[in-house]
Amino acid sequence: GEDVEQSLFLSVREGDSSVINCTYTDSSSTYLYWYKQEPGAGLQLLTYIFSNMDMKQDQRLTVLLNKKDKHLSLRIADTQTGDSAIYFCAEKGYSSASKIIFGSGTRLSIRP
Amino acid sequence: DSGVTQTPKHLITATGQRVTLRCSPRSGDLSVYWYQQSLDQGLQFLIQYYNGEERAKGNILERFSAQQFPDLHSELNLSSLELGDSALYFCASSATGQGKETQYFGPGTRLLVL
Repeated sequence: GEDVEQSLFLSVREGDSSVINCTYTDSSSTYLYWYKQEPGAGLQLLTYIFSNMDMKQDQRLTVLLNKKDKHLSLRIADTQTGDSAIYFCAEKGYSSASKIIFGSGTRLSIRP
Repeated sequence: DSGVTQTPKHLITATGQRVTLRCSPRSGDLSVYWYQQSLDQGLQFLIQYYNGEERAKGNILERFSAQQFPDLHSELNLSSLELGDSALYFCASSATGQGKETQYFGPGTRLLVL
């Protein structure tokens, strides 16, 4: 069945780049998302990438998609303490009837 | 503030009981989604509605049901509650329910089943 996998934890030093990785199994995935969840809060969509794209950049965020390997990554440049959160990768098929599958989330912690 | 509201914020109930969670989408959004977030299952998509009709179904148990009303608010009904149903339940909305749309999440309802 469909599955999305992420590592559970990532610790980086403040000012360094963070790279959060995700793999998925559904080859028909069309939309791939990154969500951020801060403590006690709901989910916030950070960015998404369409499956015919290799890369998308939005300010400090860079998303890379390797469709052949079904690998998605989120790079956060110049990581700040405010970036501490859980980051979820998710995928969805093209059809509006297709369900969204989330990864388990990666907890990003920032070291001073 | 995403514009999506959920009530109640917290709910504590006993096993075997039935509860109703309510969601009001952002103004103008026609599609509503329900998600469950728990420690052991992670974040799971439950169900999606578009303009009153069921659009997509995820890992929703038969004990759970949902509906979207003509005013576009949605309710998630959880019955015969079990301890394992304790979780954070999120509602999200988007304009028409297409994959490329941003989903706006509500603050969630935290359900504790004792």
